[in-house]
Amino acid sequence: EPEVTQTPSHQVTQMGQEVILRCVPISNHLYFYWYRQILGQKVEFLVSFYNNEISEKSEIFDDQFSVERPDGSNFTLKIRSTKLEDSAMYFCASSGGTLTSNEKLFFGSGTQLSVL
Amino acid sequence: LAKTTQPISMDSYEGQEVNITCSHNNIATNDYITWYQQFPSQGPRFIIQGYKTKVTNEVASLFIPADRKSSTLSLPRVSLSDTAVYYCLVGDGRTYKYIFGTGTRLKVLA
Repeated sequence: EPEVTQTPSHQVTQMGQEVILRCVPISNHLYFYWYRQILGQKVEFLVSFYNNEISEKSEIFDDQFSVERPDGSNFTLKIRSTKLEDSAMYFCASSGGTLTSNEKLFFGSGTQLSVL
Repeated sequence: LAKTTQPISMDSYEGQEVNITCSHNNIATNDYITWYQQFPSQGPRFIIQGYKTKVTNEVASLFIPADRKSSTLSLPRVSLSDTAVYYCLVGDGRTYKYIFGTGTRLKVLA
């Protein structure tokens, strides 16, 4: 089965530093997403991306966050100046279409971000 | 957005059938209902998806009544490895913003 791959699996950074989390979505997918999950809590939506622009974003996705699809395969999440509360597991997901078209989200295995 | 409500947790024993119900009262006409399974430190994994009536695959069944305001995931003969959090997700065709609820933490006991 095709997979969404994420790198790195773990990232440790100092508060105030910039981090870039990388994802390679499934090759023929068109819709891309970032979610995060703080330890012990539910999976939270951050942002969706289609046709090289943000489609939707949550209130969590403030000016410190940005997403980019720099080439035909990668999809990145950048946090400009990390805060302690950004520590979480970040999941990338992709789908071939919207969930009204009988599509499903494929998730990567996540990047565990620890901000010290 | 179609909000979902599920029981927070359930316990079961190996070999039993488990039914987890999700309420989604304001589901839209075009929305599909999708269930995901999540193990600790892993991404959610697709289990089953449906629009109405009943859908069955190799791991689960999904029952959706005619009004589509709820759905029930049925796991036949659970094993210890089915211990996980189960989320129902309702597709919102008006946006690309798919919101996970709190999920149901299923614990399967020996």
